[in-house]
Amino acid sequence: DAGVIQSPRHEVTEMGQEVTLRCKPISGHNSLFWYRQTMMRGLELLIYFNNNVPIDDSGMPEDRFSAKMPNASFSTLKIQPSEPRDSAVYFCASVWTGANSPLHFGNGTRLTVT
Amino acid sequence: DQQVKQNSPSLSVQEGRISILNCDYTNSMFDYFLWYKKYPAEGPTFLISISSIKDKNEDGRFTVFLNKSAKHLSLHIVPSQPGDSAVYFCAAAYSNTGNQFYFGTGTSLTVIP
Repeated sequence: DAGVIQSPRHEVTEMGQEVTLRCKPISGHNSLFWYRQTMMRGLELLIYFNNNVPIDDSGMPEDRFSAKMPNASFSTLKIQPSEPRDSAVYFCASVWTGANSPLHFGNGTRLTVT
Repeated sequence: DQQVKQNSPSLSVQEGRISILNCDYTNSMFDYFLWYKKYPAEGPTFLISISSIKDKNEDGRFTVFLNKSAKHLSLHIVPSQPGDSAVYFCAAAYSNTGNQFYFGTGTSLTVIP
């Protein structure tokens, strides 16, 4: 199993530019999560999908953030326009929400907005 | 509001000794608890979990203890090894939200050779 795959691993962009982060969940998993890691809040949940449907996006900080899951094998997190305070590591994770199962994380995208 | 809290940002332990990492939660509806380990530049990896019907789960050098009345979770690592140096996150979930996972802020463990 290839695990959760995120791209790019690093993204450096200028303030005001659009940024798109990509995620391929583990095949067979039916829920997908986007997290942001910060020192103050640790792993902060931004949004999660169940069977490709957004269930809870209350963690999305602003309207500048949007996420889509057009099919079971792909999701994007978009920031438009980006700001320096968006600089963080963004993680995607997936799980099969049957019996208690652990989340599986990708290796993250380190975003730097200058 | 942080539903899962790790109040110790860092911990240092001598190699061979016991490491104890602590975690508190506020929501009594949580029924599934997990520990993750994270190395720099990598994603968190699952370490060990426990269901709310148990109070202890052991896997090799790692043991997780759950005290539901105190809403407290701990991870014991015995004996600690330098390779255990990492950031440890605890997490909690409850089934009626489709396993939405709540994470603490992490504890950085350093095992000194």
